[in-house]
Amino acid sequence: QPVLTQSSSASASLGSSVKLTCTLSSGHRTYIIAWHQQQPGKAPRYLMKVESSGSYNKGSDTPDRFSVSSSGADRYLTISNLQSEDEADYYCETWDSYTRVFGGGTKVTVL
Amino acid sequence: EVQVVESGGGLVQPGGSLRLSCAASGFIFSSYGMSWVRQAPGKGLEWVSSISGSGANIFYADSVKGRFTVTRDNSRNTLYLYMNNLRAEDTAIFYCAKIGSTSHSDYWGRGTLVTVSS
Repeated sequence: QPVLTQSSSASASLGSSVKLTCTLSSGHRTYIIAWHQQQPGKAPRYLMKVESSGSYNKGSDTPDRFSVSSSGADRYLTISNLQSEDEADYYCETWDSYTRVFGGGTKVTVL
Repeated sequence: EVQVVESGGGLVQPGGSLRLSCAASGFIFSSYGMSWVRQAPGKGLEWVSSISGSGANIFYADSVKGRFTVTRDNSRNTLYLYMNNLRAEDTAIFYCAKIGSTSHSDYWGRGTLVTVSS
């Protein structure tokens, strides 16, 4: 069973960029992960998925300001030109067949 | 447009039971796996259960195994979660999520709140 590790918080100024990290546990470095955004008081919504190769799939409503990348066991979500509506919790997800695993989430604050 | 809409939440006493429903539309329901994911107040997302499109493959988190049962009615495009022997720690918003063709959760409902309290 993979484990996903995320930093608890991150902050950046309006219009700048922030890079979030999701780290896969040992033995699971090749797993695909998906990123989800949860704005305050709302349901999660799918943003993007990224493979170990760096190839990705973006949700139909995901703004171009969101991008993903990969290095070893780390999967990254970068938000460029940070907007006030990007202040939210961000969760990474992976899976083994139908069993899902979520990271603890990163709270992004826009300064 | 893909939509999943949960219902059935409410206040229940410890040891009680509840049935959640998730009505799906906008996609061929029987072709996709579905999941239940919960979020306790102020906490992160916790996977609860998943079921394959046919219903033949079912999986549960250890925290609910033996107490929760997931089923689906493909003729009604509806997913269910039967919850028995509820505990205070089951208090959470329960979300229904569609599993995409490449296995990630790609659409989420708005959730239904379950409160277990005397």
